[in-house]
Amino acid sequence: DVKVTQSSRYLVKRTGEKVFLECVQDMDHENMFWYRQDPGLGLRLIYFSYDVKMKEKGDIPEGYSVSREKKERFSLILESASTNQTSMYLCASSLGVSGQPQHFGDGTRLSIL
Amino acid sequence: AQTVTQSQPEMSVQEAETVTLSCTYDTSENNYYLFWYKQPPSRQMILVIRQEAYKQQNATENRFSVNFQKAAKSFSLKISDSQLGDTAMYFCAFMKHGNQGAQKLVFGQGTRLTINP
Repeated sequence: DVKVTQSSRYLVKRTGEKVFLECVQDMDHENMFWYRQDPGLGLRLIYFSYDVKMKEKGDIPEGYSVSREKKERFSLILESASTNQTSMYLCASSLGVSGQPQHFGDGTRLSIL
Repeated sequence: AQTVTQSQPEMSVQEAETVTLSCTYDTSENNYYLFWYKQPPSRQMILVIRQEAYKQQNATENRFSVNFQKAAKSFSLKISDSQLGDTAMYFCAFMKHGNQGAQKLVFGQGTRLTINP
């Protein structure tokens, strides 16, 4: 089975801090994704990567950056955390073949105080 | 841009009943994929079912089946003989056909389904 592991289940940070969310997958997937999930809004794509060192903006990239130095790891960075970034963050991965389903991690519930 | 709409924020049924979750989408693409994902309380999002738009036959997975109406851009999920373990948020999602940048999902807002004993 595919395993997507997110480094923290719960995280509390302060406004203005630089925050790192880490995601690792063990199935050699080409694609990796970061979403945020908010009630009533579903999942919205922040960034995705289809190859090492490649990244593309999703629908809501403002205030975030990403890093993919190795194929299995995709990091989401909040450069200067703000209270409106309090949310559930989900990482996912998929094979680089059209139509393949994405596999999700357990999520990180991030609170910015 | 593609959009996905789930018009039922919450639903509730009795155990063993059949329930149908609605999903509509808007796209100008002819070739694409549709998915239903399930997110149980405090647990991981998992794939329920997948449909390829170029296949007319509706996908089924055990008690889960879809009614795919391409012309109407409708993709509903039917759960038969519902069980307590089906209690979850359900998300409908759309993916274009193509390479690299096309392989991202567009999600609906979700439907919170509760199965009552």
